Amino acid sequence: GAGVSQSPRYKVAKRGQDVALRCDPISGHVSLFWYQQALGQGPEFLTYFQNEAQLDKSGLPSDRFFAERPEGSVSTLKIQRTQQEDSAVYLCASSLLGQGATGYTFGSGTRLTVV
Amino acid sequence: GQQVMQIPQYQHVQEGEDFTTYCNSSTTLSNIQWYKQRPGGHPVFLIQLVKSGEVKKQKRLTFQFGEAKKNSSLHITATQTTDVGTYFCAGRRGNFGNEKLTFGTGTRLTIIP
Repeated sequence: GAGVSQSPRYKVAKRGQDVALRCDPISGHVSLFWYQQALGQGPEFLTYFQNEAQLDKSGLPSDRFFAERPEGSVSTLKIQRTQQEDSAVYLCASSLLGQGATGYTFGSGTRLTVV
Repeated sequence: GQQVMQIPQYQHVQEGEDFTTYCNSSTTLSNIQWYKQRPGGHPVFLIQLVKSGEVKKQKRLTFQFGEAKKNSSLHITATQTTDVGTYFCAGRRGNFGNEKLTFGTGTRLTIIP
């Protein structure tokens, strides 16, 4: 597609509920990243894939967070037993390997609100 | 871990005035990128700097990478209302195969017409 597509755009979850956030990167982009952005803050790194391989998951805040990209294209970020502190915008970005001069292309994000 | 700080956190300027944001990393970077995020939007890539002391210009925007590759700046000349948003620097360390970017704390620019 023309850009990075994320769904849903908004998600309200009750505390304790599991959620799944989807990211469809730009076709041909090898690298895919998940970031968490709290209100008024900069994006915080969660995890990084190169094709289907998860090369860095050092930013995942707890074992309740899990990400996958089984076929090297679409990725899903799953959060189990959501808590209020998980409320944030979850941004997905993709890039050509090595980034070059084009940087990341971000999706519009999923705004998660845990009530 | 790596930290990237930006100052100021907020900047309010009259339209037509200049604006500068400064970015400082706790570690040496292999490259640095700048992004702009409009209110309610997502970060949009502006530019990448790679070389020590590099200076790049995009119309009214001037980007600089420090000699030690630990700091950077973005200067906007004669601000316009379309410049409103939060400007983030994002640095990458030189670890082989590590594509991860660490974002700065951001500078939020508001323009007084």
